[in-house]
Amino acid sequence: DGGITQSPKYLFRKEGQNVTLSCEQNLNHDAMYWYRQDPGQGLRLIYYSQIVNDFQKGDIAEGYSVSREKKESFPLTVTSAQKNPTAFYLCASRPGQGRNGYTFGSGTRLTVV
Amino acid sequence: GENVEQHPSTLSVQEGDSAVIKCTYSDSASNYFPWYKQELGKGPQLIIDIRSNVGEKKDQRIAVTLNKTAKHFSLHITETQPEDSAVYFCASDSNYQLIWGAGTKLIIKP
Repeated sequence: DGGITQSPKYLFRKEGQNVTLSCEQNLNHDAMYWYRQDPGQGLRLIYYSQIVNDFQKGDIAEGYSVSREKKESFPLTVTSAQKNPTAFYLCASRPGQGRNGYTFGSGTRLTVV
Repeated sequence: GENVEQHPSTLSVQEGDSAVIKCTYSDSASNYFPWYKQELGKGPQLIIDIRSNVGEKKDQRIAVTLNKTAKHFSLHITETQPEDSAVYFCASDSNYQLIWGAGTKLIIKP
């Protein structure tokens, strides 16, 4: 079955560490997105990529970095510069042509310890 | 920038009654309006969507209506059941991205 996979489901980070969240899709979608969700809040866009080797900052990109070396993969690194990284992180993908909805992964919950 | 306003933020209804969630968008060029359901600890799931060439779409107990002139669209859930309890998000497309509403927590009372 086609889908989008995020790993790990739970992740713990120590102060000052960088951590990388994985997002892989086998839907042959061109566009991929990373969102942050805080408890009881909506979705805030961190980064997005419309095509391989290209990505743009979203509304809250500071302290995060991404890469898009393959169409299937869009990893997110939460750097030590992100002062409040504890949140639920969601990855999504979308066909590049036409106006269509996103397919979301099941999320990664990141906690700073 | 473009935005989507969603109301109410919390909606509590008796099991079996109907629920209505409303959204207003700002980008007059928007042509696609999806609705997502998010259960606790999970990613959002697309439940229904509508494009600007139609005014209403139904799928069993769920329906969406669109008024392009007024730039608002609504989600209607009839005969609500306990499994409908979740957070619902509306969105509209703008420059090939989705602009999201803030979400509505739907509570179904037994």
